Amino acid sequence: GESVGLHLPTLSVQEGDNSIINCAYSNSASDYFIWYKQESGKGPQFIIDIRSNMDKRQGQRVTVLLNKTVKHLSLQIAATQPGDSAVYFCAENAYTGTASKLTFGTGTRLQVTL
Amino acid sequence: ETGVTQTPRHLVMGMTNKKSLKCEQHLGHNAMYWYKQSAKKPLELMFVYSLEERVENNSVPSRFSPECPNSSHLFLHLHTLQPEDSALYLCASSQGLAGDAPGELFFGEGSRLTVL
Repeated sequence: GESVGLHLPTLSVQEGDNSIINCAYSNSASDYFIWYKQESGKGPQFIIDIRSNMDKRQGQRVTVLLNKTVKHLSLQIAATQPGDSAVYFCAENAYTGTASKLTFGTGTRLQVTL
Repeated sequence: ETGVTQTPRHLVMGMTNKKSLKCEQHLGHNAMYWYKQSAKKPLELMFVYSLEERVENNSVPSRFSPECPNSSHLFLHLHTLQPEDSALYLCASSQGLAGDAPGELFFGEGSRLTVL
């Protein structure tokens, strides 16, 4: 069946270093992927998305890479800051044309050390 | 401030109580969602409403009853819940139309439910 999973539950990174958060998916028909960030006590917040016809997309300090061959997705955060500490979720979207149906992974906790 | 407001933020109820969770979005979106977030489990989609019509019901027990009276408001009515229903219930909204970011949902801060 469909599944979206994360390789590591916790990632510790020193401030200023780059962070890489990985995600594997199993549904080869998925054509749209999203990364969300959830800080303590808040709801998830959209970071960046990528369609399956792309293999890379860049935002502000973040880059998402998509490898369809091995069904792998990653989120790279440049110059990680304390404010980046949060749980990060990847999700795949089954868009119905009127609404989104997101399937989320378990999440990876990013801890930024000083 | 995401433009999606949920009340109450915290709720404790017994298994025989009836309560409701409320969600309001100020973004002019057409689609609204209920998600359940339990510890160490992925977010689970419960219900999806598009233009006030339910378009998704993910095999959710009937003790959870959604209501969407208009495109800005969404309720989750709760009755005879079980302790395993204790979780964070998140409401979200989206534009609901094909656009640049169809997967961009705007989440509220959630309602933390504890069932005794």
